[in-house]
Amino acid sequence: AQSVSQHNHHVILSEAASLELGCNYSYGGTVNLFWYVQYPGQHLQLLLKYFSGDPLVKGIKGFEAEFIKSKFSFNLRKPSVQWSDTAEYFCAFRGTSYGKLTFGQGTILTVHP
Amino acid sequence: GAVVSQHPSRVICKSGTSVKIECRSLDFQATTMFWYRQFPKQSLMLMATSNEGSKATYEQGVEKDKFLINHASLTLSTLTVTSAHPEDSSFYICSASLAGGHTDTQYFGPGTRLTVL
Repeated sequence: AQSVSQHNHHVILSEAASLELGCNYSYGGTVNLFWYVQYPGQHLQLLLKYFSGDPLVKGIKGFEAEFIKSKFSFNLRKPSVQWSDTAEYFCAFRGTSYGKLTFGQGTILTVHP
Repeated sequence: GAVVSQHPSRVICKSGTSVKIECRSLDFQATTMFWYRQFPKQSLMLMATSNEGSKATYEQGVEKDKFLINHASLTLSTLTVTSAHPEDSSFYICSASLAGGHTDTQYFGPGTRLTVL
């Protein structure tokens, strides 16, 4: 069965700290990978996505993610977080043989000013 | 970016009543719309996939007679929770896909908080 695992449920950082959120998926075929963010009281927004090509993907607001096929991973990174990055982050993937999106459990990021 | 709206944002109803939730794609035509349910502190769980003009495809364990989905136009899908019970209380989120194929992206609505008393 396909699944996504996010390693951390809650991450607490100070402003300017570097961020890396782990995401691993379980699926035997080609995948599309996504990171979504949900700011407090708002709807899910797409941060970045990977379909093919360069495995290092850059998204909005300075976020990037790297697809490492051998590790089935798609970790999200940001070199210097801001207070406004406080939100919940969801990793998701879709096997390209079937359009269903499978979401990870989510990681709550709290950034202290 | 593409905008998806949901109405209502919050609804409280009595047990046994039915509730309809609307999902609209405001600035694009959505071939496919998806309905998710999110429990507190948990991830989104896909309930069903609906394609305009055809019957929805429900995920395993989701009662199609309880969660009625209609996708009558390219900009509107509705989810009706029939004979709602307290265990149906949850956060319901829809998303809409531009193309419905393998390279599309889903755009999410703001969600509807359903509370069944």
